[in-house]
Amino acid sequence: GIQVEQSPPDLILQEGANSTLRCNFSDSVNNLQWFHQNPWGQLINLFYIPSGTKQNGRLSATTVATERYSLLYISSSQTTDSGVYFCAVGGLGSGAGSYQLTFGKGTKLSVIP
Amino acid sequence: EAGVAQSPRYKIIEKRQSVAFWCNPISGHATLYWYQQILGQGPKLLIQFQNNGVVDDSQLPKDRFSAERLKGVDSTLKIQPAKLEDSAVYLCASSLDTLRLARETQYFGPGTRLLVL
Repeated sequence: GIQVEQSPPDLILQEGANSTLRCNFSDSVNNLQWFHQNPWGQLINLFYIPSGTKQNGRLSATTVATERYSLLYISSSQTTDSGVYFCAVGGLGSGAGSYQLTFGKGTKLSVIP
Repeated sequence: EAGVAQSPRYKIIEKRQSVAFWCNPISGHATLYWYQQILGQGPKLLIQFQNNGVVDDSQLPKDRFSAERLKGVDSTLKIQPAKLEDSAVYLCASSLDTLRLARETQYFGPGTRLLVL
């Protein structure tokens, strides 16, 4: 199956700092999503970005599908950005018509005031 | 639009007991997923439904786990008997239609935290 590796595993930032999170994947994909899991466990979609660049406020993401990586940029970080950021890539599953997301292990971000 | 609903939010049981989780997906979403998330890991898919049919259950430990989506809307996931290693968060997600492949976003519920003692 598809392998998804995220780095760094842990990141501590001072409020206001910028950061870049990386996601490498082992095979070509046509679906890549970034999620934020808040401290209460809720997973929130940030971006659907199989290729190209998207921006949403202080967050932006870039996927270079040909080189099998994606980057998530967080600018001017706030304490509410704390949590775990997951990259998930899509591919065919085992069942007929099955299409699945495979998640990385995540990057745990802590933003301190 | 209401999100994915799950209950209960927390459950503590002893090993060898049984437990059931409930999920109600976003209205109109044909595809429903159950994931297991062990502490420090990303979610791992257990089972995927398309309407009321199972599309993929290859990673479901079928000797103890079962799931159903009888009317193609809400779903239940059951564990019987539970083991210590089943302690995890169980997440339900839904999407419009898996057969659209690349153009799907999955929406997650708040999860059920299970602790097996």
